Amino acid sequence: EAQVTQNPRYLITVTGKKLTVTCSQNMNHEYMSWYRQDPGLGLRQIYYSMNVEVTDKGDVPEGYKVSRKEKRNFPLILESPSPNQTSLYFCASSLKSPLRTGNTGELFFGEGSRLTVL
Amino acid sequence: TQLLEQSPQFLSIQEGENLTVYCNSSSVFSSLQWYRQEPGEGPVLLVTVVTGGEVKKLKRLTFQFGDARKDSSLHITAAQPGDTGLYLCAGLYGGATNKLIFGTGTLLAVQP
Repeated sequence: EAQVTQNPRYLITVTGKKLTVTCSQNMNHEYMSWYRQDPGLGLRQIYYSMNVEVTDKGDVPEGYKVSRKEKRNFPLILESPSPNQTSLYFCASSLKSPLRTGNTGELFFGEGSRLTVL
Repeated sequence: TQLLEQSPQFLSIQEGENLTVYCNSSSVFSSLQWYRQEPGEGPVLLVTVVTGGEVKKLKRLTFQFGDARKDSSLHITAAQPGDTGLYLCAGLYGGATNKLIFGTGTLLAVQP
């Protein structure tokens, strides 16, 4: 089954304790992206990757890191989490980048990871 | 910074009623997508509109792209409880750096 898988789905942690949220897709998609979803603010892009070893900042990258060593995986790293990073996080992938002119491809989303930082 | 505003933010209606959700911006989109997100799940694509004035229908859902490609609407006829969810528009802005921006969302509750 074609899917985007995120782990963990739920996590409660404390300020400063490094954590990683994994994301894996089995559709051979080039493009992957991380979003955070907060009430009244919609989905805001954190980081995205056009392909292996190619990553770039989205609208709210502060406090986050990513890597794209393999095509299928795109982990989100919080080196020193803070309470303002409490949010619902979504990983998404697309066959080609939405940023490519003329591409209106579908984004496939994971089920989300709800993170609470105390 | 481009903004995509959706209205209304919340909508609670009875089964069988009709409703319209709006997505507006001051900027021109290359294309626009509508997604639906159910509780505990990620957004799922409903439709993509590309041409100004375009109308697409998906069963009881009708999507319209404004002539100037700055706005879009989603109309649901005879809403059912299964339509309950968060509706998100996402606009692709063209230019030197194409950018996909999500709207703030409309939370719809359809009561049986």
